[in-house]
Amino acid sequence: EDQVTQSPEALRLQEGESSSLNCSYTVSGLRGLFWYRQDPGKGPEFLFTLYSAGEEKEKERLKATLTKKESFLHITAPKPEDSATYLCAVQAVGLWAGGTSYGKLTFGQGTILTVHP
Amino acid sequence: EPEVTQTPSHQVTQMGQEVILRCVPISNHLYFYWYRQILGQKVEFLVSFYNNEISEKSEIFDDQFSVERPDGSNFTLKIRSTKLEDSAMYFCAILGGRTAKNIQYFGAGTRLSVL
Repeated sequence: EDQVTQSPEALRLQEGESSSLNCSYTVSGLRGLFWYRQDPGKGPEFLFTLYSAGEEKEKERLKATLTKKESFLHITAPKPEDSATYLCAVQAVGLWAGGTSYGKLTFGQGTILTVHP
Repeated sequence: EPEVTQTPSHQVTQMGQEVILRCVPISNHLYFYWYRQILGQKVEFLVSFYNNEISEKSEIFDDQFSVERPDGSNFTLKIRSTKLEDSAMYFCAILGGRTAKNIQYFGAGTRLSVL
């Protein structure tokens, strides 16, 4: 069974204080690892997808990295508007209807990030 | 990024009643997913739907649940006889287009409250 564990559960930072969020995973065969942002009462908003160990993606103050067992979401000089829950999810290799591998996402419980001004 | 509209935003129902949650993508999509998130818990997969058929479902998706695409554009999740433990946020997701083939984009969700 695919499993995703995120740490810490909650993180409080001062504006400008850089840090990292961790996502550890076990999956039968990794098709992709996904990072989403979720604001209270809203749906997950896509940030990044990573497919192979060593891959990195960047967007503004966020950078995601991937190894064979975990992924990190690095936040550089965060601002209060970066406050949200950050979700990590994995997708396993497989074949579903149509011969594709667009299977389900298995999510972690998320890290609640609060950035104080 | 494709848009997904879910209706209603909040549904209150009595235990044992049937509810239908709706998902409307702005353009034609073949792949749809339903997930749910009980308050304070993880987002959980329910079912995926491809080309008018269920392609994968979780243990949560028992006989009380069904999905269909009634008119070729809407995508619905029906819960036949709601239970208290069905109270959760329900999210519809669709696969991205040509430049984002494997990305699942989520709607804002429907909050289901079973009393």
